Amino acid sequence: SQQGEEDPQALSIQEGENATMNCSYKTSINNLQWYRQNSGRGLVHLILIRSNEREKHSGRLRVTLDTSKKSSSLLITASRAADTASYFCATVHTNAGKSTFGDGTTLTVKP
Amino acid sequence: NAGVTQTPKFQVLKTGQSMTLQCAQDMNHNSMYWYRQDPGMGLRLIYYSASEGTTDKGEVPNGYNVSRLNKREFSLRLESAAPSQTSVYFCASSELDGLNIQYFGAGTRLSVL
Repeated sequence: SQQGEEDPQALSIQEGENATMNCSYKTSINNLQWYRQNSGRGLVHLILIRSNEREKHSGRLRVTLDTSKKSSSLLITASRAADTASYFCATVHTNAGKSTFGDGTTLTVKP
Repeated sequence: NAGVTQTPKFQVLKTGQSMTLQCAQDMNHNSMYWYRQDPGMGLRLIYYSASEGTTDKGEVPNGYNVSRLNKREFSLRLESAAPSQTSVYFCASSELDGLNIQYFGAGTRLSVL
């Protein structure tokens, strides 16, 4: 079964609002990553947070990680229409050398 | 700077036909991966190659074979295509550094009739 589970499955907001999506996982991880996928394209890496970190920022992105709850959240602030895409979390298992992807959150930002 | 290149971009097969999906990366990465993505779903790992000369099964390997031809190239073969293999296939590569940040190709859209 999938290690990462995102919610919500779909999110629709107005331009300028913040978007929050969540990811839960089941077993110990080395790190957790978020990827973005525009329609009809491959995934693009956005940000990585290691298991010993609690929060990470990159531009308008903020990622948190709670290893006790086995969950992570991705916050996109001041969203733009160009942020419309699907967002996936990926968990890297300790020593496994591979990632497991969740089913994704589809974000629509209305202009 | 090409990154990860997949060919073909689109393919239509009849049930029972065979084909090979090609993937090449120019980032000198050790690890390469093949995934499939079905509508509204995430990626499922078919096979991966942690380093040149090794391949391992992922979550959904049945019906597929792979070849790590050299450090740059990793191909995926469907010996006898089935309608259940209709999907979008993505190849990815990463450094063998424990972080596993993956770089993806643009995908191959495969329909099996």
